[in-house]
Amino acid sequence: AQSVTQLDSQVPVFEEAPVELRCNYSSSVSVYLFWYVQYPNQGLQLLLKYLSGSTLVKGINGFEAEFNKSQTSFHLRKPSVHISDTAEYFCASSQAAGNKLTFGGGTRVLVKP
Amino acid sequence: DAGVTQSPTHLIKTRGQHVTLRCSPISGHKSVSWYQQVLGQGPQFIFQYYEKEERGRGNFPDRFSARQFPNYSSELNVNALLLGDSALYLCASSLIIIGLAGRWGDKNIQYFGAGTRLSVL
Repeated sequence: AQSVTQLDSQVPVFEEAPVELRCNYSSSVSVYLFWYVQYPNQGLQLLLKYLSGSTLVKGINGFEAEFNKSQTSFHLRKPSVHISDTAEYFCASSQAAGNKLTFGGGTRVLVKP
Repeated sequence: DAGVTQSPTHLIKTRGQHVTLRCSPISGHKSVSWYQQVLGQGPQFIFQYYEKEERGRGNFPDRFSARQFPNYSSELNVNALLLGDSALYLCASSLIIIGLAGRWGDKNIQYFGAGTRLSVL
């Protein structure tokens, strides 16, 4: 069975500082990976996805992630955060298109001025 | 274009009651999935429907049921509510699911609605 582990439950960071959110997955077969963001009292918005090809994936709002098959990781990074990046971030995996998404427990990012 | 819409946005029920949650997918999307997000946790998969047929079910009791209508909208029903059913219920839609696409692509991406927050007292 698939599982997704987000190693940090909370990440405080100062405005304009870089941030990295860690995600590890387990799967015995090919896997597709996603990062979603959830702002307070809202649903999930897709930040970026890894389906195939280049292991460095760029998403919206300046975020990027790197797929590392040997380390089974898909860490999310942003070089300079803004106050508006305060939200909860979820890493998710799927073994097939349209099949269920398996989510990690989430990482709450608090950007401080 | 309208995104995934869910109704109602908030709902308060008492233990033992039943509830129906509704979801309208993005226009043209034929697949709808339901997820439960308990406070402080990641979403958990409940059901997936495609072309009005159930294509996947998560580890939830039979009190949970769903269906998809000819217009691709969907309902999630929960009977005999328990306190532990209190959660944010998320609906996601996608154009198609694997098998038709041949391989993963943008047509398979799931887009989420804002959710229905259910409180069971």
